Amino acid sequence: DIQMTQSPSSVSASVGDRVTITCQASQGISSWLAWYQQKPGKAPKLLIYAASSLQSGVPSRFSGSGSGTDFTLTISSLQPEDFATYYCQQANSFPITFGQGTRLEIK
Amino acid sequence: QVQLQESGPGLVKPSETLSLTCAVSGYSISSGYYWGWIRQPPGKGLEWIGSIYHSGSTYYNPSLKSRVTISVDTSKNQFSLKLSSVTAADTAVYYCARQRSYYDWFDPWGQGTLVTVSS
Repeated sequence: DIQMTQSPSSVSASVGDRVTITCQASQGISSWLAWYQQKPGKAPKLLIYAASSLQSGVPSRFSGSGSGTDFTLTISSLQPEDFATYYCQQANSFPITFGQGTRLEIK
Repeated sequence: QVQLQESGPGLVKPSETLSLTCAVSGYSISSGYYWGWIRQPPGKGLEWIGSIYHSGSTYYNPSLKSRVTISVDTSKNQFSLKLSSVTAADTAVYYCARQRSYYDWFDPWGQGTLVTVSS
């Protein structure tokens, strides 16, 4: 199985900050990577697919980049509603695997 | 707008079989796409359980394959999950979701349903 490792596991930031979360795959996955946002008690929501494509309806302050083994999710200017847990997911190899999550907290 | 809704018992006894159903509205399952199950133990990360195509072809996570059965009922526009011989480690929120392929991202998701394994 491909292991997905996110860093950091948690991060504290303020409204208006720029935040970057990284995801590293244990082997190359081309651009077969998705990012999700999950708020407490809610289902994950797809933000980014194919490493850098913004899902319809997702604010443009979210962006993704990377290919191969190293990927990043960037939030350009944090808004109050962005404080949540973020997960990456690889879709290159069977079985599908997720990162362990990055919790974004208010400073 | 596609919507998914999980349903099933919230409490299952150890060694018994967990059974959940995902009802799909706003889209006909028989038209295509894959339909998957994902779970999340309390306070932990996400684990893909398996997926099914509208034709009935199934794909299971090898870590759970011996205990999992996913089926589809196109007449009711729903698909189901059965997980046998459950233990406390199977306690989790179970989500259903749609995929373009069995190794693809998930969108949209159901709201999730908590299943607790306890005697």
